[in-house]
Amino acid sequence: DGGITQSPKYLFRKEGQNVTLSCEQNLNHDAMYWYRQDPGQGLRLIYYSQIVNDFQKGDIAEGYSVSREKKESFPLTVTSAQKNPTAFYLCASIGGADYGYTFGSGTRLTVV
Amino acid sequence: AQSVTQPDIHITVSEGASLELRCNYSYGATPYLFWYVQSPGQGLQLLLKYFSGDTLVQGIKGFEAEFKRSQSSFNLRKPSVHWSDAAEYFCAVNPRYAGNMLTFGGGTRLMVKP
Repeated sequence: DGGITQSPKYLFRKEGQNVTLSCEQNLNHDAMYWYRQDPGQGLRLIYYSQIVNDFQKGDIAEGYSVSREKKESFPLTVTSAQKNPTAFYLCASIGGADYGYTFGSGTRLTVV
Repeated sequence: AQSVTQPDIHITVSEGASLELRCNYSYGATPYLFWYVQSPGQGLQLLLKYFSGDTLVQGIKGFEAEFKRSQSSFNLRKPSVHWSDAAEYFCAVNPRYAGNMLTFGGGTRLMVKP
């Protein structure tokens, strides 16, 4: 079945470390998105990519980086510059005549 | 400013009671409209969507939503709530321009009393 796979489900980061969250889709979707979710704050857009080798900053891009070398993959790196990275991270994609998102199951990142 | 508003942050209903979750949007033209549900620690699952046509749309899990152009609303309803419906619900719009990007409301957390 087609879908979006996020890994790992849980991730722990030490202070000063960079960590990378994986997002892979087999839906043949062109556009992919990363959102951050904090309790009581809804979804906030970090980065998005509408085509391979191109991506744009969202509302809260500081301290994050992405790449889009393949259509299927859109990894998110949380850098040491992100001062408060503990959150739930969601990846989504959209494509074809379906104007809504398909979401992955999320990665919970915790700073230890 | 363009926005999506879910006025109720928390709602508690008794099991078996009816449910209505409110969603209002502020866009120049009617956008594509969506409701998603999120269980704790999970991603968001699409409940239903409205593109055009019949203003009452049916979704999964017994949910329905009604689009009211005059009120810029897209409220989610369920006639009889089950304990398993306890979750967070998000309304979202795709404004049909500026690329395919959804704007989400802040969410409504539904609690179900036995």
